[in-house]
Amino acid sequence: GQQLNQSPQSMFIQEGEDVSMNCTSSSIFNTWLWYKQDPGEGPVLLIALYKAGELTSNGRLTAQFGITRKDSFLNISASIPSDVGIYFCAVGGGGADGLTFGKGTHLIIQP
Amino acid sequence: DAMVIQNPRYQVTQFGKPVTLSCSQTLNHNVMYWYQQKSSQAPKLLFHYYDKDFNNEADTPDNFQSRRPNTSFCFLDIRSPGLGDAAMYLCATSNRGGTEAFFGQGTRLTVV
Repeated sequence: GQQLNQSPQSMFIQEGEDVSMNCTSSSIFNTWLWYKQDPGEGPVLLIALYKAGELTSNGRLTAQFGITRKDSFLNISASIPSDVGIYFCAVGGGGADGLTFGKGTHLIIQP
Repeated sequence: DAMVIQNPRYQVTQFGKPVTLSCSQTLNHNVMYWYQQKSSQAPKLLFHYYDKDFNNEADTPDNFQSRRPNTSFCFLDIRSPGLGDAAMYLCATSNRGGTEAFFGQGTRLTVV
């Protein structure tokens, strides 16, 4: 099946720092998505990417769809306490097929 | 304002006792999905409905069934829950032809 390699697995940072995480795959995908999940809640869509090379921002978040269509990264600038959570990359097969998720990056902000 | 609503948020069931989880949506999306998420893992797709067409993932156990009586509602039935079925169950929806999926808050299932 499809496999996504998401890294890092966890990040311990100070408030105000910038964060970067990425996902890679051995297969080509036409859509890359980034979700955030808070404890006990469902994932919330942050950014959707549909074109190779596309760079998209959502507030302090920026994500890029790799030119090879096999990778994507997510950056968070000037982190704040509410950024704590688990960030998942996900890819879709197109149409109604469900999403395949990476294993997640657990972001922890140290006081 | 909630667009994908799951009930209940927390469900405790006895080993082997059938349980049903429900999901409703106000987005009028064609596709509804059920995912299982175990602790510290990524969500895993169980099955989905494309309109009325049911699509099962190859590795979803027979113990898991689903019903979609209309566009707005979808149910997950676990016929004989085992201890290994304790997990967060997530419902999601998407438009026809799109891959963006919108998730509900999940139902945390505990099997005792």
